[in-house]
Amino acid sequence: DIQMTQSPSTLSASVGDRAIITCRASQSISNWLAWYQQKPGRAPKLLIYQASNLESGVPLRFSGSGSGTEFTLTISSLQPDDFAAYYCLQYSTYPYTFGQGTKLEIK
Amino acid sequence: EVQLVESGGGLIQSGGSLRLSCAASGVTVTGNSMTWVRQSPVKGLEWVSTIHDNGRIEYTDSVKGRFTISRDSSKNTVYLQMHSLRAEDTAIYYCATYRRALDVWGQGTMVTVSS
Repeated sequence: DIQMTQSPSTLSASVGDRAIITCRASQSISNWLAWYQQKPGRAPKLLIYQASNLESGVPLRFSGSGSGTEFTLTISSLQPDDFAAYYCLQYSTYPYTFGQGTKLEIK
Repeated sequence: EVQLVESGGGLIQSGGSLRLSCAASGVTVTGNSMTWVRQSPVKGLEWVSTIHDNGRIEYTDSVKGRFTISRDSSKNTVYLQMHSLRAEDTAIYYCATYRRALDVWGQGTMVTVSS
């Protein structure tokens, strides 16, 4: 199985800061990487697919990059609504696997 | 607008069975790949099973031989039949469509397996 290592597990930041979350795959997944935001009591919401494609309706402050084994999610200027949990997902190979998550909290 | 509504969760004793349903609107379950994902505090998010538009099926190893994914085009619904349930199957179960990754998710249904 492909292991997805996400870091950091917790990120403390302030409104207006730039946040960067990384995901590393245990083997190459090309660009079959998605990023999700999840708020308490809600289902995950797709932000980015195929590593760098912004899902419709997602604010432009969210961006994704990377290929192969190293990926990043960048939030350029944090807004109050962005404080949530974030997960990466590799969907290159079955079994699909998720990162363990990053909790983005207000400093 | 695509909407997915899961149902069928509940409290069940270890070794028991449950059938989860995922009713879809705005998308056909036979024209798209449909996936079940579960989430627990212990294991986090875990992909469980996918049924592709062409009928091909995949399962995670821990549920092979115990869970069965299926679909009913007349009801536009996907199912997850779960047998021999274990405590470690306790989770919120979500269904999701696969068009651009797992793009639309339902609200989830809670399954609690008591030992």
